[in-house]
Amino acid sequence: DAKTTQPPSMDCAEGRAANLPCNHSTISGNEYVYWYRQIHSQGPQYIIHGLKNNETNEMASLIITEDRKSSTLILPHATLRDTAVYYCIVTYGNKLVFGAGTILRVKS
Amino acid sequence: EAQVTQNPRYLITVTGKKLTVTCSQNMNHEYMSWYRQDPGLGLRQIYYSMNVEVTDKGDVPEGYKVSRKEKRNFPLILESPSPNQTSLYFCASSRTSRDSGWDQYFGPGTRLLVL
Repeated sequence: DAKTTQPPSMDCAEGRAANLPCNHSTISGNEYVYWYRQIHSQGPQYIIHGLKNNETNEMASLIITEDRKSSTLILPHATLRDTAVYYCIVTYGNKLVFGAGTILRVKS
Repeated sequence: EAQVTQNPRYLITVTGKKLTVTCSQNMNHEYMSWYRQDPGLGLRQIYYSMNVEVTDKGDVPEGYKVSRKEKRNFPLILESPSPNQTSLYFCASSRTSRDSGWDQYFGPGTRLLVL
């Protein structure tokens, strides 16, 4: 059962901010929102996670709406190396259920 | 360097010939997990382990075995491989996170072809 809904693909110009949306309208109170990405066939890479508050780290920012039903991952200055499949996952505990994700293409 | 290693990275084998894919992590993580990735089906969890000697089935455990005798190692065993187990396999580890969020580290993947 898909807990999240993401657009299948997005394009972004190099150097611009990439904003990737995710809907998770059935999220439970104790579930976290995680973002991972997978570049080609490499192992998925953790980006960021959050519960209620907005979060920022060296890779990205995560904006979670007040009702927690949706979130946005922001890559502030996308580069060609950010081209990947981005997965939004909601879960409690360690179990990650990967959906189809969003293919982000960063173009020069 | 914190990492999850898998061996072998590539493997071609024949139906029925037992094989083991090793996974090792150097971060003292309690939690380890195996996934397989197939075109159109995404990543699916095979087995996971919350700690030494504690393992449980994921979503697609049929045809696989695991063991967790040491904290750092979590081998995936295919007793009698079949062509439908041809896939890209990933091992992952993290601290246990029942009450908070933790990032999971993934290995580089093992590409298996069963003829």
